[in-house]
Amino acid sequence: EAQVTQNPRYLITVTGKKLTVTCSQNMNHEYMSWYRQDPGLGLRQIYYSMNVEVTDKGDVPEGYKVSRKEKRNFPLILESPSPNQTSLYFCASTRAGRGNEQFFGPGTRLTVL
Amino acid sequence: DAKTTQPNSMESNEEEPVHLPCNHSTISGTDYIHWYRQLPSQGPEYVIHGLTSNVNNRMASLAIAEDRKSSTLILHRATLRDAAVYYCIRPGGTSYGKLTFGQGTILTVHP
Repeated sequence: EAQVTQNPRYLITVTGKKLTVTCSQNMNHEYMSWYRQDPGLGLRQIYYSMNVEVTDKGDVPEGYKVSRKEKRNFPLILESPSPNQTSLYFCASTRAGRGNEQFFGPGTRLTVL
Repeated sequence: DAKTTQPNSMESNEEEPVHLPCNHSTISGTDYIHWYRQLPSQGPEYVIHGLTSNVNNRMASLAIAEDRKSSTLILHRATLRDAAVYYCIRPGGTSYGKLTFGQGTILTVHP
């Protein structure tokens, strides 16, 4: 089954404790993205990757890092989480080219105390 | 900026057609129009996309105006499961993996 998986699905942590949210896709997609969703602000892109070792900032990259060492994986790293990073996070992937649909993961709900 | 404009909310009755409008007046000639929806407590899911002509798939139809400055997503027979936030998106930037989500339209379906 074609899918995007994220782990963990729920996470409660404390300020400053480094964490990684994993994302994996099994569709051999070139493009992968991370979004965060906050009430009243909709979905905003954090980072995206066009292929292995190629990443770029989205609209709200501050406080986040990403890496793309393998085509299937695109982890989101919070080196020093803060309470304003409490949010619902979605990973997505799509094939290269115009007009292709994006596949979204189930979401990771992060709470930073 | 890849901006689209949608009504904040719409309501429908079950088994009736629903027409969800979207304005994208600054669209360029090569921009696709994408529609996604987000069911409660789930990630967004793709609905349909098109470039110039009307498009149909198993979920919905997409009617694109001749000048491409607006489009309408058509759900032919709304079901309770179609209650969701619907996003009209014009992929922005040089990376086609980037989707800029607006506030979307909250669709309520009444039994």
